[in-house]
Amino acid sequence: SQTIHQWPATLVQPVGSPLSLECTVEGTSNPNLYWYRQAAGRGLQLLFYSVGIGQISSEVPQNLSASRPQDRQFILSSKKLLLSDSGFYLCAWSHPSGQFFGPGTRLTVL
Amino acid sequence: RKEVEQDPGPFNVPEGATVAFNCTYSNSASQSFFWYRQDCRKEPKLLMSVYSSGNEDGRFTAQLNRASQYISLLIRDSKLSDSATYLCVGNAGGTSYGKLTFGQGTILTVHP
Repeated sequence: SQTIHQWPATLVQPVGSPLSLECTVEGTSNPNLYWYRQAAGRGLQLLFYSVGIGQISSEVPQNLSASRPQDRQFILSSKKLLLSDSGFYLCAWSHPSGQFFGPGTRLTVL
Repeated sequence: RKEVEQDPGPFNVPEGATVAFNCTYSNSASQSFFWYRQDCRKEPKLLMSVYSSGNEDGRFTAQLNRASQYISLLIRDSKLSDSATYLCVGNAGGTSYGKLTFGQGTILTVHP
């Protein structure tokens, strides 16, 4: 069966510090992968998606970037965090019956 | 106008009640829809997919009305464990491999 992992689970970072969140998928090959952010009290916003290694599409201009160095690895990064980057970051992969989410990383920028 | 709109609620219902949520979408090209549930501080989990006119799974029934561009979710015989936020999701890409658009969510609380 397929599983999706994210780490860390929680993170507290100062403004201006770098960020690296990792997502890995097991049990499937060449998945479509997605990064979403859910700000407090708001809906999910699609940030990036990837259909293959090295292929990244950005949905909204922002302070973040994404990379896909391996088939089942998706990384979300920032060089300098802003207060507005705080939120719940979710990685997802696609299956014909829907998209499935990892457990998420809760990021607080102070 | 948001692509997917839901009544945010909250809905407070007693155990055993039947509750219905409605969701409207603005993109007429949307081909498939989903209902997810999200528990507090957890990731969304897929509840049902809605590809044609509707889908039923136990106590849950989802219906799609393309003419009016709305989707509904009916929960019968509510359980305490049904308390969660329910997310209506649309996919303009035609398959789940496309980009999803999420509604803001409807909060449901089932009380004893």
